[in-house]
Amino acid sequence: DSGVTQTPKHLITATGQRVTLRCSPRSGDLSVYWYQQSLDQGLQFLIQYYNGEERAKGNILERFSAQQFPDLHSELNLSSLELGDSALYFCASSGGDRDNYGYTFGSGTRLTVV
Amino acid sequence: GQQLNQSPQSMFIQEGEDVSMNCTSSSIFNTWLWYKQDPGEGPVLLIALYKAGELTSNGRLTAQFGITRKDSFLNISASIPSDVGIYFCAGRNYGGSQGNLIFGKGTKLSVKP
Repeated sequence: DSGVTQTPKHLITATGQRVTLRCSPRSGDLSVYWYQQSLDQGLQFLIQYYNGEERAKGNILERFSAQQFPDLHSELNLSSLELGDSALYFCASSGGDRDNYGYTFGSGTRLTVV
Repeated sequence: GQQLNQSPQSMFIQEGEDVSMNCTSSSIFNTWLWYKQDPGEGPVLLIALYKAGELTSNGRLTAQFGITRKDSFLNISASIPSDVGIYFCAGRNYGGSQGNLIFGKGTKLSVKP
């Protein structure tokens, strides 16, 4: 157990729908990162939050949004889902904002859009 | 944007063999990390490198931060079946607009049939 908790583990939904993925960071970690992993693209950075504020944005689609709450858990919202959004979505956390250390990853949410 | 080229994409190992993989970048990084991902799990940090030329070991794993700061390699000695999985390199450069980890596409290690 890495200490980073992601729910749900699996999600199957139809095109056009909206889903919310949830992440609880490791105890004491203030930064949360979201990554998308698809077969041909590897791990793609989506967005980072630090202590409730957006800190950095990667290749995140406009249909996707995220937030980090006062208790530091984070949610990734995916809307108007398309078949190509099917992927593994990972949340990771780290202690600070610009840590020079690695991130701790959760076990991921596998999203299947049908 | 910054890209990491990781090779080989896949390789087969026989128990006892040494394994080598590497990662190159078009940009300079000031941190290199190596992760391993098992099926159904998230990546787990294996080794972190912070200085050009640094050579770091973690058990049978050895990784080096290239002198040019644009490459890194990971060696696994005397491989065992549980070494199977996907290995990712990751780099970070806070000088860029994106100070977050950039990942390679992974090297998949499988057991030789």
